[in-house]
Amino acid sequence: EIVLTQSPGTLSLSLGERATLSCRASQTVSNSYLAWYQQKPGQAPRLLIYGAAARATGIPDRFSGSGSGTAFTLTISRLEPEDFVVYYCQQYGSSPVTFGGGTKVEIK
Amino acid sequence: EVQLVESGGGLVQPGRSLRLSCAASGFNFGDYGMHWVRQVPGKGLEWVSGITWNSGTLAYADSVKGRFTISRDNAENSLFLQMHSLRAEDTAQYFCVKGGNYVLVNWFDRWGQGTLVTVSS
Repeated sequence: EIVLTQSPGTLSLSLGERATLSCRASQTVSNSYLAWYQQKPGQAPRLLIYGAAARATGIPDRFSGSGSGTAFTLTISRLEPEDFVVYYCQQYGSSPVTFGGGTKVEIK
Repeated sequence: EVQLVESGGGLVQPGRSLRLSCAASGFNFGDYGMHWVRQVPGKGLEWVSGITWNSGTLAYADSVKGRFTISRDNAENSLFLQMHSLRAEDTAQYFCVKGGNYVLVNWFDRWGQGTLVTVSS
């Protein structure tokens, strides 16, 4: 199975700053079938990005995804207060689908 | 509005069984693959099992294969997870999840709030 490694584990930034989250795969993710999720405390995950770069319905354009092969990135252009939570990547290019360990974005 | 509402979680002794249910509404349930994903509180996400729109293909994580069975009832817009021989390491919040389309291996575009399963004596 494909192992996804997210870095950093914790990202400390200020309001309005740009956040860059990394997700690296142990093998090529076919067709760039990579998704990103946001999870707030006590809530279920919410889909942000699928197909590496397509924003899900209702997701603000400050969230963007990029990458291919084994290296993918989630960028939050200007951090808002509600963005300081945990983010997960997921690959669905091969079975079984797998998730990364998560990146927590915290207020500096 | 898409809604996924899980039920059936609780405290169960090791080796016993439990059946989770998920009631779906707000979309054409029979058109989509459905899944169960679990999360140990404070930890990461683990895909558990998935089923195609017509129940033609079922898939399981190695950690639950042979112990868990996924099923669905499209007439009742419901998804199920029958869990046998439960272990302490099965303790987690279990989420009912909607796939992005009819295929099995997919992104997950809607999640329920989850039901907590605690396996302990």
